[in-house]
Amino acid sequence: QVQLQQSGPGLVKPSQTLSLTCAISGDSVSSNSAAWTWIRQSPSRGLEWLGRTYYRSKWYDDYAVSVKSRITINPDTSKNQFSLQLRSVTPEDTAVYYCTRGEGLWYFDYWGQGTLVTVSS
Amino acid sequence: DIQMTQSPSSLSASVGDRVTITCRASQSISKYLNWYQQKPGKAPKLLIYSASSLQSGVPSRFSGSGSGTDFTLTISSLQPEDFAIYYCQQSYSTPYTFGQGTKLEIK
Repeated sequence: QVQLQQSGPGLVKPSQTLSLTCAISGDSVSSNSAAWTWIRQSPSRGLEWLGRTYYRSKWYDDYAVSVKSRITINPDTSKNQFSLQLRSVTPEDTAVYYCTRGEGLWYFDYWGQGTLVTVSS
Repeated sequence: DIQMTQSPSSLSASVGDRVTITCRASQSISKYLNWYQQKPGKAPKLLIYSASSLQSGVPSRFSGSGSGTDFTLTISSLQPEDFAIYYCQQSYSTPYTFGQGTKLEIK
């Protein structure tokens, strides 16, 4: 059974960097069939796919254009986890952030518990 | 980006009713369409993938159909635990996008 455990601060100041980590159990971040993905949810934007990292003989990543200049998703093979960094945040980045496993590159079958991140001074 | 539009936005129904939710894509997405259920304070849960495949452990009263631009999620006989918000999501091309949700409420 795959489990995803999120960690990270719930409050970030404007212009700073939002950092979250997702620890994986029951699967490997280096899996050749999964894509490790971050999704956020807010009342104004609904569910929004942010980006993913995945391994297919080498590492790949891709990101939503809306955040591409500010986002990095990194795998950490030594700890079997992956992380999200979102730079230069504004109050519009306030949302519940979820880490997920994408099965193949297609659908999200396991989700973390969600982290409410508020951007406020 | 591919836009996903669900209808209705909300729906009132009774236990035992048959319910259908519709999702329309702004362009053809073949069968790259997934359905999720979300309850308050919880992460979305995968119900249906690839338009019509039932995720392991999901009750058989849930079913999906469609291809191209038009898709449906059907619950054959509503149970009390089915009252939730339902989302469709396309996985045809990135950025993967979700519908705005359909809130299923008890009548």
